[in-house]
Amino acid sequence: QKEVEQDPGPLSVPEGAIVSLNCTYSNSAFQYFMWYRQYSRKGPELLMYTYSSGNKEDGRFTAQVDKSSKYISLFIRDSQPSDSATYLCAGRGSTLGRLYFGRGTQLTVWP
Amino acid sequence: GAVVSQHPSWVICKSGTSVKIECRSLDFQATTMFWYRQFPKQSLMLMATSNEGSKATYEQGVEKDKFLINHASLTLSTLTVTSAHPEDSSFYICSAPAGAPTGELFFGEGSRLTVL
Repeated sequence: QKEVEQDPGPLSVPEGAIVSLNCTYSNSAFQYFMWYRQYSRKGPELLMYTYSSGNKEDGRFTAQVDKSSKYISLFIRDSQPSDSATYLCAGRGSTLGRLYFGRGTQLTVWP
Repeated sequence: GAVVSQHPSWVICKSGTSVKIECRSLDFQATTMFWYRQFPKQSLMLMATSNEGSKATYEQGVEKDKFLINHASLTLSTLTVTSAHPEDSSFYICSAPAGAPTGELFFGEGSRLTVL
């Protein structure tokens, strides 16, 4: 079993839709969770960083962590064509520990 | 956020030659940097952890003699692909943790290597 599981998609939505991206993880020691956005042929860009369970909101993006079910989510409100990218979830057990990535979900937002 | 610079962004070389990729932390110091490899439509595969002033730690299955890593200073790590072959063609990305105590991981822009 991989440390972090993520449906690769692809996911295609119309502009303005609410997007829900999800991951599950198996390591109960994970405390820190991140979401990265990666455009084609570019390095990943850190979108959201959360600690333990709960929600974190930043503009149109909301990250949610449910440690009881080992489930992490990223919601994108009012999605835009510029949000079209691959979204990678990741988790780790400590601040300097190894980061485990999901496979990434490819999202396309069409106008 | 913190800036990690990677160079070159793309390189084409002949089979049998060596290629060096540089990774620099521009506005912070990094005693540790990570090197990843990414195949098309796949996730990031951790190759090795680069440690300033000591030997790199390689992941299982990664050839140490093929992928030479040097962490010369607190802001520079290099990855050298030695005697490159077409199967080494890939997207190589470095990253570094910044912002204690959270240790958020920032990535370079990546280097696309094509071996002919």
